[in-house]
Amino acid sequence: SAVISQKPSRDICQRGTSLTIQCQVDSQVTMMFWYRQQPGQSLTLIATANQGSEATYESGFVIDKFPISRPNLTFSTLTVSNMSPEDSSIYLCSVGKTGDQETQYFGPGTRLLVL
Amino acid sequence: AQSVTQPDIHITVSEGASLELRCNYSYGATPYLFWYVQSPGQGLQLLLKYFSGDTLVQGIKGFEAEFKRSQSSFNLRKPSVHWSDAAEYFCAVGAGRRALTFGSGTRLQVQP
Repeated sequence: SAVISQKPSRDICQRGTSLTIQCQVDSQVTMMFWYRQQPGQSLTLIATANQGSEATYESGFVIDKFPISRPNLTFSTLTVSNMSPEDSSIYLCSVGKTGDQETQYFGPGTRLLVL
Repeated sequence: AQSVTQPDIHITVSEGASLELRCNYSYGATPYLFWYVQSPGQGLQLLLKYFSGDTLVQGIKGFEAEFKRSQSSFNLRKPSVHWSDAAEYFCAVGAGRRALTFGSGTRLQVQP
């Protein structure tokens, strides 16, 4: 498996502000993804974080709202911009390790509450 | 497009009883299938996965799942449930090096 950490683990933010979530992996990985889990819901893919190029966003998610960086093979950030209460969710990063890319391992998640 | 259906939103079983969580998928090719568990306030932990070969796969914590191509199913089972198994269980389907598509989840409650 992979050891994945996310910061912050939780946060309470005010409407209109932005929050950057970090995802750190203990080894180089090829694939990194960002998911959102709204309260009581399943996981929805936000985007694929591509190393060295722009992220690939899913329908309904845009770069202006969820800018993503991936400067190297072990680290990525997701920013939730101009937040509203509807952005209150758990945000999870996942990785597919080199040699086992079909399997995704998840970080502990960041629990965000927007007031 | 691929999809996953978990028909049971909530299941309650007694401790020591057997468990089966249902999962049906829709996918055009041979899928990669996964079961994850999410305990309250935690991230997702991989229980088991199926790529190919033996259709009965063993996972962690005493769980197993059986892939049935004819029924497009990948049901999760455990012979004897423990109170610590209370959690949310997600079935997911993948397509190689791509993101996963998740089912809506089944919440398991364990009665003493």
